[in-house]
Amino acid sequence: LAKTTQPISMDSYEGQEVNITCSHNNIATNDYITWYQQFPSQGPRFIIQGYKTKVTNEVASLFIPADRKSSTLSLPRVSLSDTAVYYCLPGTGGFKTIFGAGTRLFVKA
Amino acid sequence: DAGVIQSPRHEVTEMGQEVTLRCKPISGHNSLFWYRQTMMRGLELLIYFNNNVPIDDSGMPEDRFSAKMPNASFSTLKIQPSEPRDSAVYFCASSRRDSQLSYEQYFGPGTRLTVT
Repeated sequence: LAKTTQPISMDSYEGQEVNITCSHNNIATNDYITWYQQFPSQGPRFIIQGYKTKVTNEVASLFIPADRKSSTLSLPRVSLSDTAVYYCLPGTGGFKTIFGAGTRLFVKA
Repeated sequence: DAGVIQSPRHEVTEMGQEVTLRCKPISGHNSLFWYRQTMMRGLELLIYFNNNVPIDDSGMPEDRFSAKMPNASFSTLKIQPSEPRDSAVYFCASSRRDSQLSYEQYFGPGTRLTVT
């Protein structure tokens, strides 16, 4: 399984765009990159998944460069309710999953 | 769909007692996962099942922990005997493994276990 490195924490203000970058240097050819969000006292929630280039959904965008050794989760115009922990998970097919420490995002008013 | 259902939501028990946590996965999902989350260790995968069969239980901390999945709609995680260091939030998650894109796991609300 690919080892990941993410910032431990980030601060932002409401209305700003937030970019969280995850390094996964030893990602395997078959690995997809999945991001989860976890609010306090809740289980993680799937945000977005991609393999390469750019993926966008109603919640976020995911940018993956050609070498796939990193990925960036982009949250447009964050609000207070986006305060959460964000996890980056390279892997395949939903079996063995390793959640690292994640990035704790704190959005201020 | 009601999502993944876990019970109880909170459990307080004394050291040495048996604890059973229950999970009902989302209908149609064929993979089920048990996780444990603490401040110190983060979110740890304990065991996962595919089509009711345990695939990897290497994350189960000790023989005191056991998990079963008798059918596609029910799983249990049992701790016997429980110890204070087992205090944590235990999450159950399920997914539908039918393609490489089925990496999305749906998590239940968790069971907060306190062992005194």
